[in-house]
Amino acid sequence: AQKVTQAQTEISVVEKEDVTLDCVYETRDTTYYLFWYKQPPSGELVFLIRRNSFDEQNEISGRYSWNFQKSTSSFNFTITASQVVDSAVYFCALYSGGYNKLIFGAGTRLAVHP
Amino acid sequence: DTEVTQTPKHLVMGMTNKKSLKCEQHMGHRAMYWYKQKAKKPPELMFVYSYEKLSINESVPSRFSPECPNSSLLNLHLHALQPEDSALYLCASSPYRGSHTGELFFGEGSRLTVL
Repeated sequence: AQKVTQAQTEISVVEKEDVTLDCVYETRDTTYYLFWYKQPPSGELVFLIRRNSFDEQNEISGRYSWNFQKSTSSFNFTITASQVVDSAVYFCALYSGGYNKLIFGAGTRLAVHP
Repeated sequence: DTEVTQTPKHLVMGMTNKKSLKCEQHMGHRAMYWYKQKAKKPPELMFVYSYEKLSINESVPSRFSPECPNSSLLNLHLHALQPEDSALYLCASSPYRGSHTGELFFGEGSRLTVL
């Protein structure tokens, strides 16, 4: 079975705080891809990052960083020094060839207050 | 600006109306997707077109009828919808079906309200 769990439904922080969004996945496939998407109020899903199952290297892009740990089946997303513009719903997603479909987690709504 | 354009952005229709949602991309992508997203829920896959042919239908009711006239266009024809069909309908594209090794490019969606 393929499953993505984002246990945090909503997170509220004050600007400049660091915040981590959790993502735990389940798959029996050895080759798979993990994604994070951002959905601002305008509606479109914006691609943030893709990771394949063979690449456990953490990644940093500006204020964003991702921690991929196969041992715990987690792919967490950290925003450093959050800003109001980071307010959005963030979705973690899983794709593997065996299922041939992108499976989304339930999403985490992040509200960053001035 | 998103490279996947959806029209209209908002649509209100009665249960007896016939309407269509349109999606266009000019990235040369050969796979196009319709997703449905209810409030506070993740997107759910409805249809996948690959090289202008329907390749996946996720058991969507027949009141939703997709159409892919050419490689750049994707339509979703709506007829006899129910109020519970009210949702955000998202179109997406990728270079080819199964190319989730890359990413999907999403439009801003069409917000549909069925009265």
